[in-house]
Order: sequence, then structure tokens, then C-alpha cells
Amino acid sequence: NAGVTQTPKFQVLKTGQSMTLQCAQDMNHEYMSWYRQDPGMGLRLIHYSVGAGITDQGEVPNGYNVSRSTTEDFPLRLLSAAPSQTSVYFCASSNRNRATDTQYFGPGTRLTVL
Amino acid sequence: AQSVAQPEDQVNVAEGNPLTVKCTYSVSGNPYLFWYVQYPNRGLQFLLKYITGDNLVKGSYGFEAEFNKSQTSFHLKKPSALVSDSALYFCAVRDGRGSTLGRLYFGRGTQLTVWP
Repeated sequence: NAGVTQTPKFQVLKTGQSMTLQCAQDMNHEYMSWYRQDPGMGLRLIHYSVGAGITDQGEVPNGYNVSRSTTEDFPLRLLSAAPSQTSVYFCASSNRNRATDTQYFGPGTRLTVL
Repeated sequence: AQSVAQPEDQVNVAEGNPLTVKCTYSVSGNPYLFWYVQYPNRGLQFLLKYITGDNLVKGSYGFEAEFNKSQTSFHLKKPSALVSDSALYFCAVRDGRGSTLGRLYFGRGTQLTVWP
């Protein structure tokens, strides 16, 4: 049972490039989400999904796209990278979209945009 | 809107001494509160949560947290700190209602350093 996995672990992009951060979970969780972590700001929600085919925006969605074609996978796409998107990105999942459910986090992707 | 505050950016404590990492919250509706720990260059690990019931919640690695409704606080505690407890600790509240149901709101984090 691998839990939540993310690839790549590190990535360097040039301004304007696009890329996809991968996230997968093997716990059959319905709820998946993406956060970014910036120093002194905690984690902020980018996008989330309550099930396959259903996605919605979080607090900081601009510049990012998501899709959820399967229960297991929830990729995050950067359309045209900007230096402001330099951050550490975490994917998380929980069984359901209930306030009582615990979200479990992946190991993160450290992204630098030059 | 739901929010949490961690009033201390840094907490320093000697090994063997008790430690407290503070968290206060502001919610509409019932509070669903979580503590996570992040070791350097790692993801967040779940420590414990308060949903309902006993105000003292026990979690992983000997940590516990005390829920205080009147003070809207959820402080993380450990009776005897270890050097290996040094990490970044996050308090979070999960939204329990409305269009933002299920969202997790984090505090800014508290860096705990335990000195040998």
C-alpha cells in the first residue's frame, strides 16, 4: 500500500513552459486535492475533486488546471509557468469529502520556475 | 470563513521538558481540527484530530492535543520532548458545511526545535 505518490520530486522550469505534476493514490479515496506550500503561509488549496469527473477550484486556482478521469489519479497542470509558481506542491486524499475524514499527503514536488 | 492561527512561528524546548504548540481557531459550525507534522523535505504526516467527544485527544508519537471550546483553542502537547520531535507543525481546520465542505484550512506553521 503506497498511499499517495507524487512525481517528479524536483522540477526546474523556464518561464512560459508547461508541465504536469502527477498524483496517484491506491486507497480508493474519493476526495483528492492539490496544495501549494510557501514559506510563512502554510498550505493553500489550489484545486480539489470529490470524485472521478468532478473538480472544483480552491483558494489559489489561477494558472493551474486539473482533471480527474479515474479515482486513482489527479494530475495538476501548469499552463504557462511563472516565477510566482515556484513552490512546493502537495497532493492529498481522503476517503470522502467529509469534515471528519483525515487527508493524507504525498511527499511533495519542489518546483522552481526561472 | 474558517481559519486557524498559530501565534508562534518558533518554539524552542529542551529535551525531556514538556512542549506546547499553540493553535486557535475560528469556525462557523462545529470545529473539526487536525494536527500535522512535517519533517525536513518530507510531506505532511497526520498526528491527531478532534471531531467530537473527549477534549483530550491522543495521537501518534506520544502527542496529544487539548480542545477548549470556550477559548477556541486546540493546543498540541507532549509531556517529554525528544530531539527527534524537531519539525514544522501545522494546525488545520476542515470545513463542515456549505459550498466549501471538506476544505482544509491551515495555520502558517510552528517550527519546533528541541535542544539536547
